[in-house]
Amino acid sequence: EAQVTQNPRYLITVTGKKLTVTCSQNMNHEYMSWYRQDPGLGLRQIYYSMNVEVTDKGDVPEGYKVSRKEKRNFPLILESPSPNQTSLYFCASSSQLPGPTSGNTIYFGEGSWLTVV
Amino acid sequence: GENVEQHPSTLSVQEGDSAVIKCTYSDSASNYFPWYKQELGKRPQLIIDIRSNVGEKKDQRIAVTLNKTAKHFSLHITETQPEDSAVYFCAARFSGGYNKLIFGAGTRLAVHP
Repeated sequence: EAQVTQNPRYLITVTGKKLTVTCSQNMNHEYMSWYRQDPGLGLRQIYYSMNVEVTDKGDVPEGYKVSRKEKRNFPLILESPSPNQTSLYFCASSSQLPGPTSGNTIYFGEGSWLTVV
Repeated sequence: GENVEQHPSTLSVQEGDSAVIKCTYSDSASNYFPWYKQELGKRPQLIIDIRSNVGEKKDQRIAVTLNKTAKHFSLHITETQPEDSAVYFCAARFSGGYNKLIFGAGTRLAVHP
């Protein structure tokens, strides 16, 4: 079964305590990304990765880091979490299809609820 | 800059009525427009998408229309049912980034029996 798996699903942490949210996909997708979802703001992209060792900033990268050492894994790292990073986080993956007439279905993980106090 | 505006933010309909959600986008080179449905506490899931070379696509009770000249696209749900109640997100793929989707802010649809 095609899956994007992220952990933890729920986490309450304190300001400044480093944390990592893991993400793994089993579809051999090249492209992976992280989004945060906040009320009234929709889904905003944090970072994305085109392939192993290739990552780039999305629209809201401040306060986050990522790495892509293996194709299937794309962890999100909060080095020093702050309360404004309290949010619902989604990892996503898709295959890289060439050409403007090809669609790109993005598969989302189940989400990670993060609260920073 | 890159932007997708979605309206309305909330929509309440009676079961059996139709629902329409509209989105406008800023990049005239955008070429792919998916719609995602997010049920309470769950992940967004793709329900329908349309590419820039077609003007309309239907899948049972849902349809999407695209007006490239006006840079807007719409989701149409006919014969709504209570299980259609969810948050719906539109998105547009922008030409400047690899598989970069910009999402609208979402529409919370409530279908009342």
